[in-house]
Amino acid sequence: NAGVTQTPKFRILKIGQSMTLQCTQDMNHNYMYWYRQDPGMGLKLIYYSVGAGITDKGEVPNGYNVSRSTTEDFPLRLELAAPSQTSVYFCASSFRGQGNLGTDTQYFGPGTRLTVL
Amino acid sequence: LAKTTQPISMDSYEGQEVNITCSHNNIATNDYITWYQQFPSQGPRFIIQGYKTKVTNEVASLFIPADRKSSTLSLPRVSLSDTAVYYCLVGAEGNDYKLSFGAGTTVTVRA
Repeated sequence: NAGVTQTPKFRILKIGQSMTLQCTQDMNHNYMYWYRQDPGMGLKLIYYSVGAGITDKGEVPNGYNVSRSTTEDFPLRLELAAPSQTSVYFCASSFRGQGNLGTDTQYFGPGTRLTVL
Repeated sequence: LAKTTQPISMDSYEGQEVNITCSHNNIATNDYITWYQQFPSQGPRFIIQGYKTKVTNEVASLFIPADRKSSTLSLPRVSLSDTAVYYCLVGAEGNDYKLSFGAGTTVTVRA
């Protein structure tokens, strides 16, 4: 299994440009997440999905959009890039099932480092 | 969501045991305590999870007192490769939780 893969690894955008960060998992996980991590800070949840066709906002959704048409893919779209979106973006996936105790284990991708100038 | 508090940073030397304590005073009855590890330029990685008493795996031990208002992650005999940020999280799947990663504890291991 490749686990969670993200592309691209690095990207520089100009203000106002748009782009899509790709995320794919091959573990048949039902939950997928997008986080951003600013320098020296923890991760903040942007959006998450509980399954194909279902998405919901996290802590910092403004300026982003997501879709989940398949179990495997969960792309993150930036429509009008702003300098405040300069960050490292992590995609993660997990399996949640009925009757599970504790919290699911999230598996993270390698991240996409985005700079908006 | 239960709020967690952990030290910003800790320094250690190779071969020593590192103990990181996390406070979670408002932990709910069915919340579990989970620790993740993040190396520079990588995504976080699950280390260990527990509910009460002690949990041990090949990487670390997790000590949780009876009142569950705190927990301690113990890394035995650390090496340089254990230099990372360690996050303490509290939650339970049944509560439709969303994991909240704070700033974590930066552990620096020196030779």
